[in-house]
Amino acid sequence: AQSVTQLGSHVSVSEGALVLLRCNYSSSVPPYLFWYVQYPNQGLQLLLKYTTGATLVKGINGFEAEFKKSETSFHLTKPSAHMSDAAEYFCAVQTNTGNQFYFGTGTSLTVIP
Amino acid sequence: EAGVAQSPRYKIIEKRQSVAFWCNPISGHATLYWYQQILGQGPKLLIQFQNNGVVDDSQLPKDRFSAERLKGVDSTLKIQPAKLEDSAVYLCASAATGGGSPLHFGNGTRLTVT
Repeated sequence: AQSVTQLGSHVSVSEGALVLLRCNYSSSVPPYLFWYVQYPNQGLQLLLKYTTGATLVKGINGFEAEFKKSETSFHLTKPSAHMSDAAEYFCAVQTNTGNQFYFGTGTSLTVIP
Repeated sequence: EAGVAQSPRYKIIEKRQSVAFWCNPISGHATLYWYQQILGQGPKLLIQFQNNGVVDDSQLPKDRFSAERLKGVDSTLKIQPAKLEDSAVYLCASAATGGGSPLHFGNGTRLTVT
């Protein structure tokens, strides 16, 4: 089975600072990769995804992520944090057979004014 | 397109009572998932349907949880009898068939068991 590791269950950044949320996966075959954001009392919303092609993918709200096969990583970044970015972020992996998804345990992002 | 619809949004019951949640996926999405999300944790898959057939229910506590997806569209998840540890958010998600198709989530049902 796949596993997804998100380093740092809580990350705090100052408003305007770089956001870096880490995600590593275990797979011998590159899977499909996703980042989701969850605001309080809401479901998960897709931020971005990697399937094939360009390894740097851009998503909504200024976020982007880079797929690095050699490091089995898919870290999420944003150059300048905004107060509205405060939320829970989940990395997810989809197997390339069976439509199964595996989620990390999440990273709670706090933005300090 | 209309998103994934779930109801109710909130439910409070006493332990040993029963409860049911409803989900209507995005039109045309063949795959439907129920996840349990305990506070501070990531979503945990309970059951996955492909059309009206079960693909994976290995983590569904079958002694108390049941789910069905009649006609391959709407789905219901039932808990009977509920335990205190069932307090969580129950998320429904759907996806189109095909690798790389993302999950689309509903807003969830927050269940509190007292």
